[in-house]
Amino acid sequence: AQTVTQSQPEMSVQEAETVTLSCTYDTSESDYYLFWYKQPPSRQMILVIRQEAYKQQNATENRFSVNFQKAAKSFSLKISDSQLGDAAMYFCAYRRGGSQGNLIFGKGTKLSVKP
Amino acid sequence: EAGVTQSPTHLIKTRGQQATLRCSPISGHTSVYWYQQALGLGLQFLLWYDEGEERNRGNFPPRFSGRQFPNYSSELNVNALELEDSALYLCASSKGDSLINIQYFGAGTRLSVL
Repeated sequence: AQTVTQSQPEMSVQEAETVTLSCTYDTSESDYYLFWYKQPPSRQMILVIRQEAYKQQNATENRFSVNFQKAAKSFSLKISDSQLGDAAMYFCAYRRGGSQGNLIFGKGTKLSVKP
Repeated sequence: EAGVTQSPTHLIKTRGQQATLRCSPISGHTSVYWYQQALGLGLQFLLWYDEGEERNRGNFPPRFSGRQFPNYSSELNVNALELEDSALYLCASSKGDSLINIQYFGAGTRLSVL
């Protein structure tokens, strides 16, 4: 069975600084997708960034980028120029390949941003 | 375009009762997923419906059931409620025909079992 591990229950970053959230996963499949979701206090899960396992290039979305190390089964999220609005729970998630399927989530990392 | 909507926002029940949670997907989305977010346990997959059929089920007892209607909206039913069923229940929807199939989430229903 696939598992997703986030080893940092809580992280803190100074506003405008850079922070990296860690995620490792375990799977025997070669085709899969990885995601980072953000859950602010409003509870609504918001997709931050996604990565297709078959792509070697790391995904980027504005201030958010990932370091995808397929052999090491690692998928970290880097947030640059942190803003107060980035404060939230961040969840790493895995989905097997194919057009559809449920997500498997890590337990999350609570990110605080200090002004 | 409206996002995924869930109702009610909060639900308070007592042990042994039944709870019904509702989810309306984004227009054009045919798949609905249900997840339970219990304190300390993270998000756990409950059920996946697509085109009216149950496609997959997580490791939950049969007390948790649901259905998907012809308009693709969905209900999650929890029978014989137990205290540990207290959690945030999140619904997500996705298109069935896209390659990556992003799941978009609603704001959840907070179920409290007393």
